[in-house]
Amino acid sequence: DIQMTQSPSSLSASVGDRVTITCRASQTINSYLNWYQQKPGKAPKVLIYAASSLQSGVPSRFSGSGSGADFTLTISGLQPEDFATYHCQQTYITPWTFGQGTKVEIK
Amino acid sequence: QVQLVESGGGVVQPGRSLRLSCAASGFTFSDYGMYWVRQAPGKGLEYVSLIWYDGSNKYYPDSVKGRFTISRDNSKNTLYLQMNNLRTEDTAVYFCASDPLRRPAAGTYFQHWGQGTLVTVSS
Repeated sequence: DIQMTQSPSSLSASVGDRVTITCRASQTINSYLNWYQQKPGKAPKVLIYAASSLQSGVPSRFSGSGSGADFTLTISGLQPEDFATYHCQQTYITPWTFGQGTKVEIK
Repeated sequence: QVQLVESGGGVVQPGRSLRLSCAASGFTFSDYGMYWVRQAPGKGLEYVSLIWYDGSNKYYPDSVKGRFTISRDNSKNTLYLQMNNLRTEDTAVYFCASDPLRRPAAGTYFQHWGQGTLVTVSS
């Protein structure tokens, strides 16, 4: 199975900060990388698919980049509603695997 | 709008069975691939099954292969997960999710999600 490793596992940030989360695959996955946001007790919500495509309705402060095995999710100007856990997922080879998650907390 | 509502979770002893359901509304259920995904307490997400729009193709990871069966009834807009021979490590919140396509393939993503149902396997 392809292993997905996110870093950091958690971070503290302030409203307005620029936040970067990275995701590394154990092998190349082309650009088949998705990002999800999950709030406590809620279902995940897709933010970015195919590494850099913004899902309809998602604010433009979210962006994704990368290809091959290294990817980044950036939040430009953190908002109060962005405090959540973020998961990356590869859909290159089944089983489609997720990272362990990155929790973004309020500083 | 799209709604996915899971049900059927609960507490069950190891070795027993449980069937989960996911009722879909707000979209043409029969046009989309569907998934079950689980999340153990305090852990990450794990994809546990996939079914094509017409039920003709299914996929399971090794962790549940031979124990879990995904199915769908397009006339009832409902997705199912039959879980047999449950183990303590199957304890998790189980989510259903939809794909943007009929036949999910490489490069896809999980578009809409339900709120989940908790399954606890304990003696």
